[in-house]
Amino acid sequence: NAGVTQTPKFQVLKTGQSMTLQCAQDMNHNSMYWYRQDPGMGLRLIYYSASEGTTDKGEVPNGYNVSRLNKREFSLRLESAAPSQTSVYFCAITTPGQTTDTQYFGPGTRLTVL
Amino acid sequence: GNSVTQMEGPVTLSEEAFLTINCTYTATGYPSLFWYVQYPGEGLQLLLKATKADDKGSNKGFEATYRKETTSFHLEKGSVQVSDSAVYFCALRLSGGGKLIFGQGTELSVKP
Repeated sequence: NAGVTQTPKFQVLKTGQSMTLQCAQDMNHNSMYWYRQDPGMGLRLIYYSASEGTTDKGEVPNGYNVSRLNKREFSLRLESAAPSQTSVYFCAITTPGQTTDTQYFGPGTRLTVL
Repeated sequence: GNSVTQMEGPVTLSEEAFLTINCTYTATGYPSLFWYVQYPGEGLQLLLKATKADDKGSNKGFEATYRKETTSFHLEKGSVQVSDSAVYFCALRLSGGGKLIFGQGTELSVKP
């Protein structure tokens, strides 16, 4: 997980509370991603950013917003948390190259919404 | 649509047993295929990859061959160790795009 950091590692929220998950990379790559991991469902893409200042929806964007203000950081915001958003959230970056690119993942944030 | 299907777990093996984790995919074009591994409490790490048909990816004794005719990318290891206990994810990346599509993951438990 070297090069991709996530904060916090753990968080407990009450329904309706808001919070921002932070992701930062020191590898100077353009593409960054937010996934959620749920038992039996693998990883599902929430949002991604191909470059600084651009963001696009993934498979499960509802209930989330993202911000890519600079090349290094990509944050995920829950405006009004719901129990269905209890999950483990992973940030990832992609090395450049169309045919050989690889995603590197952060250590994850375990979120519980009560 | 594009998707990845893995064999269901958990898979429990004794140390030094032979491992196969099946993975099949549905995709348009010519995707790249990946196996990622997640050790307890950690994020995903790339284990191996293959970018075109008949390529074999290998790493740490694991290997997988990209079979376009059967749309498969099965993971194998000849002799597993307790330290291989983890969750394994098969994934594809469509040609021309950076997003990964993951299977549901297969948990492997290796007993001494």
